[in-house]
Amino acid sequence: GENVEQHPSTLSVQEGDSAVIKCTYSDSASNYFPWYKQELGKRPQLIIDIRSNVGEKKDQRIAVTLNKTAKHFSLHITETQPEDSAVYFCAAGFTSGTYKYIFGTGTRLKVLA
Amino acid sequence: DTEVTQTPKHLVMGMTNKKSLKCEQHMGHRAMYWYKQKAKKPPELMFVYSYEKLSINESVPSRFSPECPNSSLLNLHLHALQPEDSALYLCASSLGQGDSPLHFGNGTRLTVT
Repeated sequence: GENVEQHPSTLSVQEGDSAVIKCTYSDSASNYFPWYKQELGKRPQLIIDIRSNVGEKKDQRIAVTLNKTAKHFSLHITETQPEDSAVYFCAAGFTSGTYKYIFGTGTRLKVLA
Repeated sequence: DTEVTQTPKHLVMGMTNKKSLKCEQHMGHRAMYWYKQKAKKPPELMFVYSYEKLSINESVPSRFSPECPNSSLLNLHLHALQPEDSALYLCASSLGQGDSPLHFGNGTRLTVT
């Protein structure tokens, strides 16, 4: 069935360093890949997304890359700041007549000051 | 208005109670979702409404009963819940099929005693 694997489950980095979170999806029909940030006690919020016709997308310190052949996509955060500390979820969506999104298991990022 | 509003924020109910969770959006989104989130876990899809019709039910127990009175409102009726149903219940909406981002509400923190 549909599945999204996410690694690592926890990640600690020093302030100013980069952080990379990786996801792998199983269903080749997936063609939309959002990333959500969830701070403690708050709702998940979209931080960046990418569609399957694009290999890379960047928004200031955040970038996402997609390798459709390998069914991998990754989140890159550069110049990390303490306020980047949160749980990050990747997800895979489908445009083929369904409203279903499959979430990864989450990565707890800690940025150490 | 770019928000999804959920009420109540917190709810404590006994196993014999009947209660309802409410969700509202005025972004013109045609898909609305209920997710359940346990601590340190990703959101778990429960129901999807598309154009006010139930399109996905992820084999959710009948003690959870969704309702979509109109395109802006989504309810979740709760009856005879179990303590293990205690969780954060998130409502979300999206513009279209699985290639547009989910907009989440702040959730209802439910405790079943």
